[in-house]
Amino acid sequence: SQTIHQWPATLVQPVGSPLSLECTVEGTSNPNLYWYRQAAGRGLQLLFYSVGIGQISSEVPQNLSASRPQDRQFILSSKKLLLSDSGFYLCAWRSAGGTGELFFGEGSRLTVL
Amino acid sequence: AQSVTQLGSHVSVSEGALVLLRCNYSSSVPPYLFWYVQYPNQGLQLLLKYTTGATLVKGINGFEAEFKKSETSFHLTKPSAHMSDAAEYFCAVSPARANSKLTFGKGITLSVRP
Repeated sequence: SQTIHQWPATLVQPVGSPLSLECTVEGTSNPNLYWYRQAAGRGLQLLFYSVGIGQISSEVPQNLSASRPQDRQFILSSKKLLLSDSGFYLCAWRSAGGTGELFFGEGSRLTVL
Repeated sequence: AQSVTQLGSHVSVSEGALVLLRCNYSSSVPPYLFWYVQYPNQGLQLLLKYTTGATLVKGINGFEAEFKKSETSFHLTKPSAHMSDAAEYFCAVSPARANSKLTFGKGITLSVRP
């Protein structure tokens, strides 16, 4: 069966520090991968998605970036965090060509101080 | 383009009462429709989905939803609420084709009173 894991689960970072959140999927190949952010009271915001290695689409301009160095690995990064980057970050995957449902990881809670 | 409307941000019901969470969508093409549940500090879990065929779909934890094309609705129901149903619920829509993006509603928080 397929599983998705993301880490770390929780982190507290100072403003201006770098960020790296990692997500891996097991049990499937060539998945579509997604990074979402949940800020309080603002629902789910799609940040990045990827349909293949090295292929990244950005949905909103910001100081975050994403990379997909391997088929089942998706990384969210920042060189310098802002206070507004605080939130709950969710990685998700779905099968290419499937009926569209996303499967989510456990989430990473980021607090920028 | 697609959009999802979940009216209100919070619903409170008594344990054992009917749960009804409303979702209306807008889509220029036939849609796929989804309901997700999120417990505190966890990821989203798929409750149920509509793709094609039977318009009444059953999901996990006793939930079901009915696709009504004429009303552009996909309301979520459960006959009898349980304390463990307290969570946030998201409705989502995508075009009925591969690799299309999901559009999520803002979510609604369900509270269950003992």
